[in-house]
Amino acid sequence: DSGVTQTPKHLITATGQRVTLRCSPRSGDLSVYWYQQSLDQGLQFLIQYYNGEERAKGNILERFSAQQFPDLHSELNLSSLELGDSALYFCASSPRQGDTDTQYFGPGTRLTVL
Amino acid sequence: LAKTTQPISMDSYEGQEVNITCSHNNIATNDYITWYQQFPSQGPRFIIQGYKTKVTNEVASLFIPADRKSSTLSLPRVSLSDTAVYYCLVGSYSGGGADGLTFGKGTHLIIQP
Repeated sequence: DSGVTQTPKHLITATGQRVTLRCSPRSGDLSVYWYQQSLDQGLQFLIQYYNGEERAKGNILERFSAQQFPDLHSELNLSSLELGDSALYFCASSPRQGDTDTQYFGPGTRLTVL
Repeated sequence: LAKTTQPISMDSYEGQEVNITCSHNNIATNDYITWYQQFPSQGPRFIIQGYKTKVTNEVASLFIPADRKSSTLSLPRVSLSDTAVYYCLVGSYSGGGADGLTFGKGTHLIIQP
């Protein structure tokens, strides 16, 4: 158990819908990262927040947005969902802001778009 | 920032030592090298991190030559449970940006009996 929690574990929805994925970092960690993993694309970095501020941005679509709240939990919002958005979404946390800081990954949210 | 290149897949047998090499020709002075392991449907897990020479912990060793343009993850006496995907990342504690967070497709290691 990494100490990072993600909810929900599974999510099934339809194309065009909007969903919110939630992540609670390890106690004391200030950075939160979001990743998308689909079968053919490997693990893709989406976005990083550090202490409430956006720190780094990866291949995140404009239909996706994220934020980190004052209590340091984070939410990833996915809108206008497409079939290709079906994937495992991982959240990770780390104590600091550097991109080489050890990341602790949550169990993931499996999103299925029908 | 440094880009990493790893073999897509490797095979070995139980009890053997496995070495996975990662190339990072453009590594910067402040960059560290970090390896993660991922099992199917689970998040990656940190294995080891190093800056130069050799680092060893309870599960692996990391060898980094003087020019730091490559690194080798060494797994001693592997077992079936070491079958996983292994990722090499390069980045700095002071740096920001997505390059140091690029996991890519990693190396799929398959251990056979």
